[in-house]
Amino acid sequence: EVQLVESGGGLVQPGRSLRLSCVASGFTFDNYAMHWVRQVPGKGLEWVSGLSWNGDNIGYVDSVKGRFTISRDNGENSLHLQMNSLRPEDTAIYYCAKSSLIDLGAVFDYWGQGSLVTVSS
Amino acid sequence: QSVLTQPPSVSAAPGQKVTISCSGSSSNIGNNYVSWYQHLPGKAPKLLISENNRRPSGIPARFSGSKSGTAATLDITGVQTGDEADYYCGTWDSSLSAGPVFGGGTKLTVL
Repeated sequence: EVQLVESGGGLVQPGRSLRLSCVASGFTFDNYAMHWVRQVPGKGLEWVSGLSWNGDNIGYVDSVKGRFTISRDNGENSLHLQMNSLRPEDTAIYYCAKSSLIDLGAVFDYWGQGSLVTVSS
Repeated sequence: QSVLTQPPSVSAAPGQKVTISCSGSSSNIGNNYVSWYQHLPGKAPKLLISENNRRPSGIPARFSGSKSGTAATLDITGVQTGDEADYYCGTWDSSLSAGPVFGGGTKLTVL
């Protein structure tokens, strides 16, 4: 059974940093690209960032470029999102999502339960 | 403002058929596969349809997808109370800021 478990969310002040993590199990982690998708409460889904199976191909939504960094540790079956210079508009539930592809694409076949990030003073 | 356009809400009585539309452009739906996701409150989103019309293992045949040009459709036949959820379409967008994009979501209410 595929499981994706996020951690690291919480309340943080504007301008500060937070690191999200996602531990994966139930599949061969280094065979698939992985992504972060967020949902502002009451709003729709928004892709945030993704990286290929080996981390060579990385993408970010424009609004987080230069502030967020995605990474993976295939030895630990984990995905991370380093979020710096956080803004109130980054407040959202952040989902870890598994791709059905080895490289970046737009099919997410498994999702975690999400981790809430609240940016507020 | 989402790149893909969905109706905010649809409704249907149990047993009826409901259709959810998703409209895009040549930079996204027109040249890429479409996926559909079901999102129940407090739960992880679930992939319902990939590659326009492929159902993953375990997804009932009541859910079907199609695509024509720059638009896609999700059909749910024999609607059940458990289908009440938010539904999102998604695809790849090949514009300047290339990456995955989603529709704004459609809330299905089962009457």
